[in-house]
Amino acid sequence: GESVGLHLPTLSVQEGDNSIINCAYSNSASDYFIWYKQESGKGPQFIIDIRSNMDKRQGQRVTVLLNKTVKHLSLQIAATQPGDSAVYFCAENTGGFKTIFGAGTRLFVKA
Amino acid sequence: KAGVTQTPRYLIKTRGQQVTLSCSPISGHRSVSWYQQTPGQGLQFLFEYFSETQRNKGNFPGRFSGRQFSNSRSEMNVSTLELGDSALYLCASKRGQPNTGELFFGEGSRLTVL
Repeated sequence: GESVGLHLPTLSVQEGDNSIINCAYSNSASDYFIWYKQESGKGPQFIIDIRSNMDKRQGQRVTVLLNKTVKHLSLQIAATQPGDSAVYFCAENTGGFKTIFGAGTRLFVKA
Repeated sequence: KAGVTQTPRYLIKTRGQQVTLSCSPISGHRSVSWYQQTPGQGLQFLFEYFSETQRNKGNFPGRFSGRQFSNSRSEMNVSTLELGDSALYLCASKRGQPNTGELFFGEGSRLTVL
């Protein structure tokens, strides 16, 4: 069935280091991918997106990489800050009207 | 611009009861999606509505239903509640074009079933 999964459920990084969160997706027909950040007590919030006709997209301190050959997505956060501590979800837009989310990775930033 | 508003924020029910949750999308957004989030799990897609029509549905039993009104506000209903229905129910809106655009989430309705 359709699924978007994450390799690591938790990630702990030192403040100032770079973070990399990985994600695998199963639907090779999906062409739109999004990363969301969820802080405690809040709903998920959009971070960055990428279409399948791209392999890299950069935002402010974040970069998303897409490898369609192996159906892999990653989120890179540069100079990780305590405020980056949250759960990160990758999401895949399937069939137009349905967005499927992965299980999430919890990022801990150590001061 | 007001964000997505969900009510109630917290509620406690007992097994067998039913519950209705409400979602007001961002003004101008015509698509509303509902997700169930349980501890340690990701967000499970429930359904998506656009112009009062359900366009897609997730793998949930028929006890879970929803609707959308002409002003784009949406409600979801869960009947004959079970303990496993305890979860955070999230509503998200977007303008409506398929396969593009971010979802804007509310803060959720946390349902506890005793």
